[in-house]
Amino acid sequence: GAGVSQTPSNKVTEKGKYVELRCDPISGHTALYWYRQSLGQGPEFLIYFQGTGAADDSGLPNDRFFAVRPEGSVSTLKIQRTERGDSAVYLCASSPGTFTGELFFGEGSRLTVL
Amino acid sequence: GIQVEQSPPDLILQEGANSTLRCNFSDSVNNLQWFHQNPWGQLINLFYIPSGTKQNGRLSATTVATERYSLLYISSSQTTDSGVYFCAVMTTDSWGKLQFGAGTQVVVTP
Repeated sequence: GAGVSQTPSNKVTEKGKYVELRCDPISGHTALYWYRQSLGQGPEFLIYFQGTGAADDSGLPNDRFFAVRPEGSVSTLKIQRTERGDSAVYLCASSPGTFTGELFFGEGSRLTVL
Repeated sequence: GIQVEQSPPDLILQEGANSTLRCNFSDSVNNLQWFHQNPWGQLINLFYIPSGTKQNGRLSATTVATERYSLLYISSSQTTDSGVYFCAVMTTDSWGKLQFGAGTQVVVTP
């Protein structure tokens, strides 16, 4: 597609539930990134993929968070046993490669945990 | 990790005014981007500028990598310029990790 696409745009769930957020990067971009943005703050790094593999997952806050990119294109961020503190906007970005070039962000998935 | 400081934190402008936003960073960078986050939350790329000067319409940016700062200039501001402006950097020690500053909240009044 023309830009990074994220679904759903909004997700409301109850504490303890499982959530999946999807990201479809710009066609041909090999690097894919997940960030999280809380109200009033800048985005914070979670994980990035180069191809199918997670090159750096050091930003994932704990083992309830997991992300996959099985075919090197679409990625899914998975959150188990959601907590109210997980409420945030989850942003996905892609770039032509990790070592060069700009990151382009999607519109984000707003997660609200009640 | 690298520290990214943006100033001022808030800026109120009258339509037509010019302004300068600053981004200081604490280490050498190989990637620097300026973004505008609109009121709907979309991060819009303004400049990819690890060094040098670029211009795009009423906006321009300069990065002086040796002195570890970047400037974003907004000329003849319009109400549509309102939003949060973020500077984000990446270092050779942190491939893939774009570190964002706290942003500058800009409000342009008619």
